[in-house]
Amino acid sequence: KNEVEQSPQNLTAQEGEFITINCSYSVGISALHWLQQHPGGGIVSLFMLSSGKKKHGRLIATINIQEKHSSLHITASHPRDSAVYICAVRVRPTNTGNQFYFGTGTSLTVIP
Amino acid sequence: GAVVSQHPSRVICKSGTSVKIECRSLDFQATTMFWYRQFPKKSLMLMATSNEGSKATYEQGVEKDKFLINHASLTLSTLTVTSAHPEDSSFYICSARDRERNSPLHFGNGTRLTVT
Repeated sequence: KNEVEQSPQNLTAQEGEFITINCSYSVGISALHWLQQHPGGGIVSLFMLSSGKKKHGRLIATINIQEKHSSLHITASHPRDSAVYICAVRVRPTNTGNQFYFGTGTSLTVIP
Repeated sequence: GAVVSQHPSRVICKSGTSVKIECRSLDFQATTMFWYRQFPKKSLMLMATSNEGSKATYEQGVEKDKFLINHASLTLSTLTVTSAHPEDSSFYICSARDRERNSPLHFGNGTRLTVT
């Protein structure tokens, strides 16, 4: 079982639709990141969250620490939002082991 | 905003040769840099954490002698793939964190390595 589970794996939406991508994790974290990877491979960090909610333009990210769950919402989706969205968690400092765990990504396609 | 420059963006090399990939933070001091690998249609995998002035911390299963990481300054980390093999062909990405606590990660655009 992966430490970070994302859903859905693939998502196709019509332009203008409201989109939600979910991320659940099973480890103790110090922060959660939402990343956007474009077809060329470049990655942009969209949000870093440790609690509550953040908003940037049409993007909203929320996190529920008790439930170990985060969501990324895109309002009024646009074809340029088409990308792979990756959830990553930074684990609380430990003596050994990974610092980051990554979800397998959600491939979003927004159709005009 | 903060920028991380990764170079080269693409490289093709022959089996047995070594390839160096550079990761630079252009407008901030990065005390910590991370190196990732991404297989086709797979998510990122953290390879190692690089702290300025000290040895890199490698994740389980990553060969230290094969993937040499050097973080000689607060703005530069390098990943050298030694004695490259076709199995090393992959997409390598770096990210950097500002020295400020709780600062976000900034990612390079990645390097696509093809070993023939």
